[in-house]
Amino acid sequence: DGGITQSPKYLFRKEGQNVTLSCEQNLNHDAMYWYRQDPGQGLRLIYYSQIVNDFQKGDIAEGYSVSREKKESFPLTVTSAQKNPTAFYLCASSIGTGNTIYFGEGSWLTVV
Amino acid sequence: AQSVTQLDSQVPVFEEAPVELRCNYSSSVSVYLFWYVQYPNQGLQLLLKYLSGSTLVESINGFEAEFNKSQTSFHLRKPSVHISDTAEYFCAVSESRDDKIIFGKGTRLHILP
Repeated sequence: DGGITQSPKYLFRKEGQNVTLSCEQNLNHDAMYWYRQDPGQGLRLIYYSQIVNDFQKGDIAEGYSVSREKKESFPLTVTSAQKNPTAFYLCASSIGTGNTIYFGEGSWLTVV
Repeated sequence: AQSVTQLDSQVPVFEEAPVELRCNYSSSVSVYLFWYVQYPNQGLQLLLKYLSGSTLVESINGFEAEFNKSQTSFHLRKPSVHISDTAEYFCAVSESRDDKIIFGKGTRLHILP
């Protein structure tokens, strides 16, 4: 089935450790996104990528890093510099500008 | 850079009553506008979108939204809500020049029996 796969669904990490969240899509979409969803904050854009080997910072990129080496993959690394990393992270993809974006099921990250 | 404001974090409304969820945006260029819905314990899905043409767009489940360029708004309306409309609704904006999509903080629609 076509879609967006995020893994892991739940992740626990100790403070100070980097953690990488995986996002894979088989929709042949050019654009991919990472959002963070917190209660009362809506979805806030962390990074987005319009094409392979290119990505742009969103509104809350500090403490995060991404790569886009393959069209189907857009992993997100939450670094120790992120002050409040505990959150629900959503990956999404789209054919391109003006088109519907499709979301993965999300990853819950808890940092203790 | 574009931004989106959803002024109401929660909207309670009686079943079969009309509802309006407000969305305002800011951008210096032409935009595409979206409403996404997140039902309890489910992922986000597209409800409707405006790209160009008619300023009034409709969804298959009775919602509609009107693009008002002068007021920079894209309010979502339904003439008669049902208990199954209980969800969180997110307005989103994309500028026509790139793929960046910004979401509002969401509005929780509570349907009262």
